[in-house]
Amino acid sequence: NAGVTQTPKFQVLKTGQSMTLQCAQDMNHNSMYWYRQDPGMGLRLIYYSASEGTTDKGEVPNGYNVSRLNKREFSLRLESAAPSQTSVYFCASSESRDLSNQPQHFGDGTRLSIL
Amino acid sequence: TQLLEQSPQFLSIQEGENLTVYCNSSSVFSSLQWYRQEPGEGPVLLVTVVTGGEVKKLKRLTFQFGDARKDSSLHITAAQTGDTGLYLCAGARASDYKLSFGAGTTVTVRA
Repeated sequence: NAGVTQTPKFQVLKTGQSMTLQCAQDMNHNSMYWYRQDPGMGLRLIYYSASEGTTDKGEVPNGYNVSRLNKREFSLRLESAAPSQTSVYFCASSESRDLSNQPQHFGDGTRLSIL
Repeated sequence: TQLLEQSPQFLSIQEGENLTVYCNSSSVFSSLQWYRQEPGEGPVLLVTVVTGGEVKKLKRLTFQFGDARKDSSLHITAAQTGDTGLYLCAGARASDYKLSFGAGTTVTVRA
């Protein structure tokens, strides 16, 4: 079972370049999330999709866009990369949007450096 | 400003010692989750506590949810080198369908 798969695992961009991070889950989950993780700041929610066809902003959405392509796939796009977006990006999924008694399942992350 | 404050930020102990990690907030949560993350991997759920005052045990790990559902603690008894990792607490609120994560505690257990 693959769970949550993120591609690519590593990427280096120049300032101003664009890039799409891909995420796919094979657990038939309804909800999907994008986080960024920076040292000393934990995981911060960028965007989430409570169900297929819906997307909502999280805590730090500026500079990002998302697409819920279908139930399995949720992509994150950086239109014009900035050095402040250097981070490790995690995609996660959950069976439903009610997180009070179910876990989020995480991918292994994409390490993105912007020069 | 983090909604959930974790302390300490770093913890280094000798194998066999005990440790406690704290997760505090001024907000009430419907549940608290604890995750463990190893280098190069995503976080993995350890436990979810739902009821105020609840205590859950997972082998040598004991998790407690505060009576007011604003804080939680993780206690590891007789730590082993395999317990090394980043421990993250995350709170869920019934008012929104998101998790709020603490900044994490990096635990290093020395042989």
